[in-house]
Amino acid sequence: TQLLEQSPQFLSIQEGENLTVYCNSSSVFSSLQWYRQEPGEGPVLLVTVVTGGEVKKLKRLTFQFGDARKDSSLHITAAQPGDTGLYLCAGSKTRAGNNRKLIWGLGTSLAVNP
Amino acid sequence: EPEVTQTPSHQVTQMGQEVILRCVPISNHLYFYWYRQILGQKVEFLVSFYNNEISEKSEIFDDQFSVERPDGSNFTLKIRSTKLEDSAMYFCASTGRLAVGELFFGEGSRLTVL
Repeated sequence: TQLLEQSPQFLSIQEGENLTVYCNSSSVFSSLQWYRQEPGEGPVLLVTVVTGGEVKKLKRLTFQFGDARKDSSLHITAAQPGDTGLYLCAGSKTRAGNNRKLIWGLGTSLAVNP
Repeated sequence: EPEVTQTPSHQVTQMGQEVILRCVPISNHLYFYWYRQILGQKVEFLVSFYNNEISEKSEIFDDQFSVERPDGSNFTLKIRSTKLEDSAMYFCASTGRLAVGELFFGEGSRLTVL
C-alpha cells in the first residue's frame, strides 16, 4: 500500500509562532503537491514540488521536497489566524504527475489562535 | 475568478435510493474528476473523464457509479443504489489543457445515506 503519512495530525499554536508539518512516505514520488482545505470547501493547491531537494517559498510558507523524493515539509513563519485550515499533501508516482493517480495524506489540521 | 461549482451542497437520502451529484467545471477545462472524502479519512480518487469518456477509474468506482457530461457544461456523478458507506463529501475537480495541470476543486457535495 502506498501511504503518505502526515504529522502532526493536529496542531494548535499562537499567532506569531513558527511551525513545521511533515509528509512522509517509504515510496519515491515524482512530484508532491500541498493543498489547503478550509471547512466546507474543496482543497486549494498551494504548491507542487518535483525535484529532490527543491525548496519553494510562498510568502510565509516554505515547502521542501526531500532529496530522495520520499518526503516533504511545510514550514510557516509567524503564523496568522488566516493560516488555520487542513493542510494536505498529495503525491504522484507517475513521471508526468498524473492527477488521476494522486495519493493523498490524511492532513494536518492547524489552528492558529489570536 | 473561474470556479468549479457543485450542487447540491448537502443531500440526505435513504439507503437504496439513486443520487445524482452535479458539477459545472471551469468552462475551458478539458479533464474532469470526481474524488470523495469520507469523514476522517483520506481523499480518494474515483474517476477521471476526458473527451466524453472515462479515462480511468478506481476500484471504488464500481457498477453502482456512473458519470456523464450531458451537455457542454454539466458533469454528473450518479450513484444508482446508495449504501450507508457511500456517505462522504464528494468533490468535483477539473484541469485545463493538460492532465497534469493544477486541479481546481469545487466546494463539495456532502452525501448522507440513512
